[in-house]
Amino acid sequence: SQQGEEDPQALSIQEGENATMNCSYKTSINNLQWYRQNSGRGLVHLILIRSNEREKHSGRLRVTLDTSKKSSSLLITASRAADTASYFCVWPLPNTGNQFYFGTGTSLTVIP
Amino acid sequence: DAGVIQSPRHEVTEMGQEVTLRCKPISGHNSLFWYRQTMMRGLELLIYFNNNVPIDDSGMPEDRFSAKMPNASFSTLKIQPSEPRDSAVYFCASSLATQLEQFFGPGTRLTVL
Repeated sequence: SQQGEEDPQALSIQEGENATMNCSYKTSINNLQWYRQNSGRGLVHLILIRSNEREKHSGRLRVTLDTSKKSSSLLITASRAADTASYFCVWPLPNTGNQFYFGTGTSLTVIP
Repeated sequence: DAGVIQSPRHEVTEMGQEVTLRCKPISGHNSLFWYRQTMMRGLELLIYFNNNVPIDDSGMPEDRFSAKMPNASFSTLKIQPSEPRDSAVYFCASSLATQLEQFFGPGTRLTVL
């Protein structure tokens, strides 16, 4: 993609394991967000990390941001079946205020 | 708050028909976004409004697509005439202009036969 990409595209793990999803982007950004989408539903905001932050935590979520490598990762610890969803990395479009590019997403399946 | 409300949730129509999708943003939010999601292209921004004014409609695919926001609590996305390639899930999202987090509606699944 010209904008960036996420990997893996799909991930299947056992309940209790950790899940890591990665995101790479190509422009300079001042923030990055992660969203979750359950099947047939709208997207839900999970966490936002700013360019001056390297790591941020929210419950079982841990997000990292490496602006030198233009990459971010989302770690879900002690996964649950309810974490099954698609996860999207989201970053601002260049020269815009609140317009964003949504990555291709990682489809996570947590097997009970 | 009920969140962002979209209607209808599902729409099946025949090629050539007019389709109108509706959205009620979260009360107090002053930015509204229309997105389209397909397997092939992912989530694409079609248009966004700030204080009821269209700011950027460069994502609207063709003149067959139009969007309005007559007031702060209502927006429509119209496709006329519709084509099979318009089949997708259309999402409306709203936010405060001063914040980055967007709140999405449940989407409208459109099928054009």
